[in-house]
Amino acid sequence: GAGVSQTPSNKVTEKGKYVELRCDPISGHTALYWYRQSLGQGPEFLIYFQGTGAADDSGLPNDRFFAVRPEGSVSTLKIQRTERGDSAVYLCASSPSGRVDEQFFGPGTRLTVL
Amino acid sequence: SQQGEEDPQALSIQEGENATMNCSYKTSINNLQWYRQNSGRGLVHLILIRSNEREKHSGRLRVTLDTSKKSSSLLITASRAADTASYFCALMDSSYKLIFGSGTRLLVRP
Repeated sequence: GAGVSQTPSNKVTEKGKYVELRCDPISGHTALYWYRQSLGQGPEFLIYFQGTGAADDSGLPNDRFFAVRPEGSVSTLKIQRTERGDSAVYLCASSPSGRVDEQFFGPGTRLTVL
Repeated sequence: SQQGEEDPQALSIQEGENATMNCSYKTSINNLQWYRQNSGRGLVHLILIRSNEREKHSGRLRVTLDTSKKSSSLLITASRAADTASYFCALMDSSYKLIFGSGTRLLVRP
């Protein structure tokens, strides 16, 4: 079956602009996660959805970052007033129940802020 | 910090040799998972070991967990050039999110 998909695969924007990154999880997976990975580092947790609600958003770095999952499937990560330090690969993952499961990762969106 | 710390940061071995990567952590965990990443993009789950387990095998992979020492190791036996990748340990506590280490970059020379 289809895995986790993310669009766009690459996004180049200018400092101060607004961007949206999209994640389509595996069908039927109730849990969805966003991570951010900088060059040479491991992924860093941002936010976790269980269904439509954010169960844990403790990893969002500041109020410029926001994510939604209105129907409990597709999720959008929104970044306002982008800064050069936001440049990274943004990874999305889903899991069947969000409990003690492995997570299935998408290919990521590489965001470059000029 | 809960973050797993991996050792070594980089490892270069000859094809056919075994590769061992270690992960240490500081807090209680629900489980520990190992992931592989090629070319800095999508991660692939390799194996999950629960806090009440000591060892698990999957093909050429062997993972151990010592909760008293708060450490885990990943052994890849009979390595192949295709095993070249970055390997990450990831801790899961009661919050169900993964906390990743900084990874070990493995190079398997043909």
